[in-house]
Amino acid sequence: GAVVSQHPSWVICKSGTSVKIECRSLDFQATTMFWYRQFPKQSLMLMATSNEGSKATYEQGVEKDKFLINHASLTLSTLTVTSAHPEDSSFYICSASGTGESYEQYFGPGTRLTVT
Amino acid sequence: DAKTTQPTSMDCAEGRAANLPCNHSTISGNEYVYWYRQIHSQGPQYIIHGLKNNETNEMASLIITEDRKSSTLILPHATLRDTAVYYCIVRYLYNNNDMRFGAGTRLTVKP
Repeated sequence: GAVVSQHPSWVICKSGTSVKIECRSLDFQATTMFWYRQFPKQSLMLMATSNEGSKATYEQGVEKDKFLINHASLTLSTLTVTSAHPEDSSFYICSASGTGESYEQYFGPGTRLTVT
Repeated sequence: DAKTTQPTSMDCAEGRAANLPCNHSTISGNEYVYWYRQIHSQGPQYIIHGLKNNETNEMASLIITEDRKSSTLILPHATLRDTAVYYCIVRYLYNNNDMRFGAGTRLTVKP
């Protein structure tokens, strides 16, 4: 299957700083990328959907000014957590979907964010 | 909102078949049934999907009832490495629809 990577795999940042997480589709063009957040012992919760070249669509309750999503190319989407707080500490997972046979969603390995 | 219901947890003996049920009574005619699993601190791993026919691949079998209101994922010979949370998801395939996860079933394979 197609490969999706995330970078970094884990990051620790101080409260009040911003951190950027990258999601890349390595061997296909991802017209749509999805960002999920997962707290310990909970399921994945969809945060936002982004289509290449357009603004992301955020789920209810997700602050778009805090979680900035950019999907500027068909192989890269970024999630920037701005002014991070300890409650933003979570496991962030992206997935990517293309067209045709690539309508399947392929998940990245996740990024563990810890805000101190 | 998740459209599926699954048992919270299940145990299975190593080497035996693991049968994981899923109810999706409100599934529509063009929604597929997907199964993913998540091993601790990793991204979800695709297992199998189907529309109405039973499906089999190298990982598992998917049995979908004739009315499509429920399905069962079968791991024929469970190993300790199959211990994970298994998610059953219904989704339209051909319009980049998002995938929404329910609580899933925590499968523990015991020696």
